[in-house]
Amino acid sequence: DAGVIQSPRHEVTEMGQEVTLRCKPISGHNSLFWYRQTMMRGLELLIYFNNNVPIDDSGMPEDRFSAKMPNASFSTLKIQPSEPRDSAVYFCASKPGQGAYEQYFGPGTRLTVT
Amino acid sequence: GESVGLHLPTLSVQEGDNSIINCAYSNSASDYFIWYKQESGKGPQFIIDIRSNMDKRQGQRVTVLLNKTVKHLSLQIAATQPGDSAVYFCAEDWGNTGKLIFGQGTTLQVKP
Repeated sequence: DAGVIQSPRHEVTEMGQEVTLRCKPISGHNSLFWYRQTMMRGLELLIYFNNNVPIDDSGMPEDRFSAKMPNASFSTLKIQPSEPRDSAVYFCASKPGQGAYEQYFGPGTRLTVT
Repeated sequence: GESVGLHLPTLSVQEGDNSIINCAYSNSASDYFIWYKQESGKGPQFIIDIRSNMDKRQGQRVTVLLNKTVKHLSLQIAATQPGDSAVYFCAEDWGNTGKLIFGQGTTLQVKP
C-alpha cells in the first residue's frame, strides 16, 4: 500500500522565491496535517484539514504561508516569499475520519532557503 | 550568530537491556496519547497509543504507561535492539480536538 507521498523530497531555493510543497494523503483518509520540524522548535503543527476544509491554521507562522486542499487526494503548502528561517523539514500526515487518532506521516520535504 | 538548537535528552542503553523513555504532557483534558519513532531522514512512525481510560497498554516489546495524576507517559522497550536507535516522541490529542501536539523528543542510542 502506498503511504503518504510528498514531493519534492529536497528543495533548495533562494530567498524571495516561491516554494510549493505537495502531498498526496493515503486514499480514504479524511484528515490531512502539515507539520514543520526544526532543531529550534521541534515538530510543530502548521495546519490541518478535515474533508478538504481547513479546520485549524493557528500554527501557520505568517501570511507568507498558505495551504490548500482542492480535493481529497492532494494538498499544497506554499511559501511566498521564502526566507532563510523557513529552512526546515516539512511533513504531511493523514488519518482516517472521526474517531481515528493515529496519523500516518510522509517522508518529508527538506527545504533549504539560501 | 550561532543558532541554539533543542538539546534533546539522550538515553544510552546496552543492547539487550530494557529502555524507559519518559514524557510529560500538558493538557489534563487530553484523552488520547501516542508514541512515535523517528529514524534519521524519515517521518515519524507510529509505535503504540493509549486512551485516558487505561493506565497501561502492551504491544510487541513495547509498553506504554499513563499516569493522569501527574500527567506523565512512559514508553518501555524490552530487550532493546540496535534497530531501536531513533528519536522517540510522545504526543497528546490536545483537549480531545483531533490535533496532536508533540513533545520535544528523546534520542535513544543503543550500544552493541
